[in-house]
Amino acid sequence: DIRLTQSPSSLSASVGQRITITCRASQPISSYFNWYQQKSGKAPKLLIYDASTLQSGVPSRFSGAGSGTDFTLTISSLQPEDAATYYCEQSHNNPPWTFGQGTKVEI
Amino acid sequence: EVQLLESGGGLVQPGGSLRLSCEASGFIFSSYAMNWVRQAPGKGLEWVSGLSGSGVATSYADSVKGRFTVSRDNSKNTLFLQMNSLRAEDTAIYYCVKDRVGATHTAFHIWGQGTKVTVSS
Repeated sequence: DIRLTQSPSSLSASVGQRITITCRASQPISSYFNWYQQKSGKAPKLLIYDASTLQSGVPSRFSGAGSGTDFTLTISSLQPEDAATYYCEQSHNNPPWTFGQGTKVEI
Repeated sequence: EVQLLESGGGLVQPGGSLRLSCEASGFIFSSYAMNWVRQAPGKGLEWVSGLSGSGVATSYADSVKGRFTVSRDNSKNTLFLQMNSLRAEDTAIYYCVKDRVGATHTAFHIWGQGTKVTVSS
């Protein structure tokens, strides 16, 4: 199975700051990679798919980059509503589809 | 509007069974792969099972293989998860999830609100 390692596991930042979350895959997965946001008590929401494509309706301050084994999620100017846990996920070839362990972002 | 509505969760004893349902609306149900993803209390996300639009191709996480069965009724726009031989470690919120494109998994696009399953004596 493909393992995804996210870092950091949590972070605290101020409104307006730029933050970056990293996810590393245990083997190359091309761009078969996605990011999700989960707010407390809610279902997850797709933010970015195919490593860098913004899902419709997601604010442009979110961006994704990477290919192969190393991927990043960047929030260019953190907003109060961005407080959430963020998960990476790989969709390469065959199941099982796996998630990173999550990064909790506090404002 | 695309909507997924899960039901069937509850409290069950170890070794027992439950059948989860997910009623879909707002899209051509038979054209999309569907999945179940779970989240244990205070933990991360775990993919459980997937099913092609036709219902022919199924896949399971090793943790549930042989105990859980995924199926769908495209005439009723409904996805199911039959869970047998339940264990305490199956305790979680179970989400029904629509895939982003039809034929194969690319991303978990639309999520239901989840249904809670508690396995305890």
